[in-house]
Amino acid sequence: SQQGEEDPQALSIQEGENATMNCSYKTSINNLQWYRQNSGRGLVHLILIRSNEREKHSGRLRVTLDTSKKSSSLLITASRAADTASYFCATNAGNNRKLIWGLGTSLAVNP
Amino acid sequence: EPEVTQTPSHQVTQMGQEVILRCVPISNHLYFYWYRQILGQKVEFLVSFYNNEISEKSEIFDDQFSVERPDGSNFTLKIRSTKLEDSAMYFCASREATNTEAFFGQGTRLTVV
Repeated sequence: SQQGEEDPQALSIQEGENATMNCSYKTSINNLQWYRQNSGRGLVHLILIRSNEREKHSGRLRVTLDTSKKSSSLLITASRAADTASYFCATNAGNNRKLIWGLGTSLAVNP
Repeated sequence: EPEVTQTPSHQVTQMGQEVILRCVPISNHLYFYWYRQILGQKVEFLVSFYNNEISEKSEIFDDQFSVERPDGSNFTLKIRSTKLEDSAMYFCASREATNTEAFFGQGTRLTVV
């Protein structure tokens, strides 16, 4: 398996419910970033969490990072139909300046 | 709010033709990148650029690809002789430092026919 794998691959929930997406990675990282992509559109940066941080919040978003398990989760609370999109984690490791991406979780929020 | 802009949003080109994809990174950013995403697949790193030179490139970034920062604002990706498999969404990104957020443009959808 590859760096930055998200699960589930697809998630369908009702508006108002919470959505949790997970990301696992293989190597040590400097930081991990979550992005959102609406169908066929650009990548929108959501949150960056550094390797020495365990949790970060931004509005309805909560990201956790467990470096011992090499995993991160993105929680969207009180979801809205407009949250429907694909969500990706991307890791930044060592001196590498590039981001390594997973396949993403496709989230559908049904009104 | 500052943003990365890319042009064109969509380009259709004949196989074998040269294409230039353009990007204007955020003005105070120092690190620039090109990524691509083939439909339904993960985002793939192509090249990073810092201090007017390539700092890293992937196996995808072969001799057919080149990047340039011709002036203080633009950052371009050139594909010399396009192939069908170059069809993808190409994203430009920039960041202030290597441990900060990377901001992406809206992408250029390249279709090679």
